[in-house]
Amino acid sequence: GESVGLHLPTLSVQEGDNSIINCAYSNSASDYFIWYKQESGKGPQFIIDIRSNMDKRQGQRVTVLLNKTVKHLSLQIAATQPGDSAVYFCAEPYTNFNKFYFGSGTKLNVKP
Amino acid sequence: NAGVTQTPKFQVLKTGQSMTLQCAQDMNHNSMYWYRQDPGMGLRLIYYSASEGTTDKGEVPNGYNVSRLNKREFSLRLESAAPSQTSVYFCASSNTIRREQFFGPGTRLTVL
Repeated sequence: GESVGLHLPTLSVQEGDNSIINCAYSNSASDYFIWYKQESGKGPQFIIDIRSNMDKRQGQRVTVLLNKTVKHLSLQIAATQPGDSAVYFCAEPYTNFNKFYFGSGTKLNVKP
Repeated sequence: NAGVTQTPKFQVLKTGQSMTLQCAQDMNHNSMYWYRQDPGMGLRLIYYSASEGTTDKGEVPNGYNVSRLNKREFSLRLESAAPSQTSVYFCASSNTIRREQFFGPGTRLTVL
């Protein structure tokens, strides 16, 4: 899962398995969260978002779970593919509505 | 529809030199952002602009200035570059409603 600091956590999974990437957030009043994917040498790209009035949101092969009690988010990727190899970030807003803090990221390696 | 574009893609500077990183978006977004990303780290917000003519400091503004030239363009200036500013710089934009940020491809800056 994600952590603050200089070391990028890495998750290695076998192609076809499910992946779970975790993120702890800091502000219990945060109303909205976003997951981004960053492939090597590229800018981050939106994957899925969730509002704080929801516990779960599903997209295509991805599901985000929100546990407000422990201030925890997870991103689940079903049937992980080599193209899913990337760094994944969660983002939570500042008190300013449109400014976001990004976590330090988790690197996902998919083994063929 | 190019999305968010950044120039240059790569730049090498000597300590004390100045330069301006350019960013433009064609999505009619109100909000624009500059981030830096150091190796193995997440994104840190340098400056933010909610609309044309307004700018706001982020987490790491020291050593940088910005200009929101018009709705499309948001530039980042390093007046006197330092080795600590060696990083990858990303520009992003978002609209007020969706809050999802669209990122450019990044500028890789090395300060010797």
